[in-house]
Amino acid sequence: GDSVTQMEGPVTLSEEAFLTINCTYTATGYPSLFWYVQYPGEGLQLLLKATKADDKGSNKGFEATYRKETTSFHLEKGSVQVSDSAVYFCALGDNYGQNFVFGPGTRLSVLP
Amino acid sequence: DAGITQSPRHKVTETGTPVTLRCHQTENHRYMYWYRQDPGHGLRLIHYSYGVKDTDKGEVSDGYSVSRSKTEDFLLTLESATSSQTSVYFCAISESLDTYTEAFFGQGTRLTVV
Repeated sequence: GDSVTQMEGPVTLSEEAFLTINCTYTATGYPSLFWYVQYPGEGLQLLLKATKADDKGSNKGFEATYRKETTSFHLEKGSVQVSDSAVYFCALGDNYGQNFVFGPGTRLSVLP
Repeated sequence: DAGITQSPRHKVTETGTPVTLRCHQTENHRYMYWYRQDPGHGLRLIHYSYGVKDTDKGEVSDGYSVSRSKTEDFLLTLESATSSQTSVYFCAISESLDTYTEAFFGQGTRLTVV
């Protein structure tokens, strides 16, 4: 079945550092890809998405590019802030199985 | 924010008792999902619904049942709660199976089975 693999962390960075969180997937068909963010005590919020190969999703300084050849959707941000501290989930939307499949999540801590 | 309300937000129950969690949406979305979140596992799908009275099992459905008698409500029932069902439960909704459609999540219900 479909699956998503991502680095589990935790990842600890200093403010203004560069962030990369790796995500790779296995899927049949042509899934959409998503990054969700979860702040403490809250539900998941959509951060960005990409729906086809070579699409780049971006939001709040975060970016990720849908790479079909490497089945990857790595999340990047050029300069992180303390307020970016959260758990980040990579996910795919499987319209064959009518389901969303999530990675295990990566906890990011940004220190001032 | 999508109109999704989960109730209760927190619950402590004893082993062997039945528990029902409720998800209510005001978006009129067709698809509704129940996930559980556990450390190291991310979110795992329990059950989902693709319309009124239309439901199907997910990855971790054993010990859970669901019902959807109205578009806006999706109930998750633990028939006889066990300690392994201690978790955070999230409801999600999506408008369609269109490839471009994302899922929107509720705030979660923290369930502790003692």
